[in-house]
Amino acid sequence: DGGITQSPKYLFRKEGQNVTLSCEQNLNHDAMYWYRQDPGQGLRLIYYSQIVNDFQKGDIAEGYSVSREKKESFPLTVTSAQKNPTAFYLCASSDQGGGPYNEQFFGPGTRLTVL
Amino acid sequence: KNEVEQSPQNLTAQEGEFITINCSYSVGISALHWLQQHPGGGIVSLFMLSSGKKKHGRLIATINIQEKHSSLHITASHPRDSAVYICAVQWGNTGTASKLTFGTGTRLQVTL
Repeated sequence: DGGITQSPKYLFRKEGQNVTLSCEQNLNHDAMYWYRQDPGQGLRLIYYSQIVNDFQKGDIAEGYSVSREKKESFPLTVTSAQKNPTAFYLCASSDQGGGPYNEQFFGPGTRLTVL
Repeated sequence: KNEVEQSPQNLTAQEGEFITINCSYSVGISALHWLQQHPGGGIVSLFMLSSGKKKHGRLIATINIQEKHSSLHITASHPRDSAVYICAVQWGNTGTASKLTFGTGTRLQVTL
């Protein structure tokens, strides 16, 4: 089945540690995205990538880093510089399609708790 | 910046009721998405529309571009419809990626 997988579903880390969240897609999509969701707020874009070896900062990139070495993978590292890392993280992907708008497909999310 | 507002924030309905969730935005868009998020957190895309109306089963989505407003309707609601419904708009020139601005969501609970 085609889709997006994120692992793990729940992640606990001590304050000051870097942590990497996994996102893999087998939809052959060019674009991938990372969002953060906090209670009472809409999803906010952290980083996005339109093509392999290229990525752009979103609205809240500070304290995060990404890589896009393979088309199907877009891991997100939450660094110790991120002041409030506890949140629900969602990965998404979309096909370029050549049109003005493209539907995004979302993964199941990873809930990160920093103790 | 595009402001996206949803109403109501919370909604409780009895099984069988007709439900409407509203979404307004401030800047012209190229497309609007309705998403469903279940308690486990995963998000499913329900509709993507840029004009008019779309229907899928008991779900209907409409958009009025001139008024910058969209509605999501659920007919004959059922407890399994209980979820958070999120409106997201696509706007601006972002090359080939589709950047979205999200509303805060409407939490729907349907009771027996």
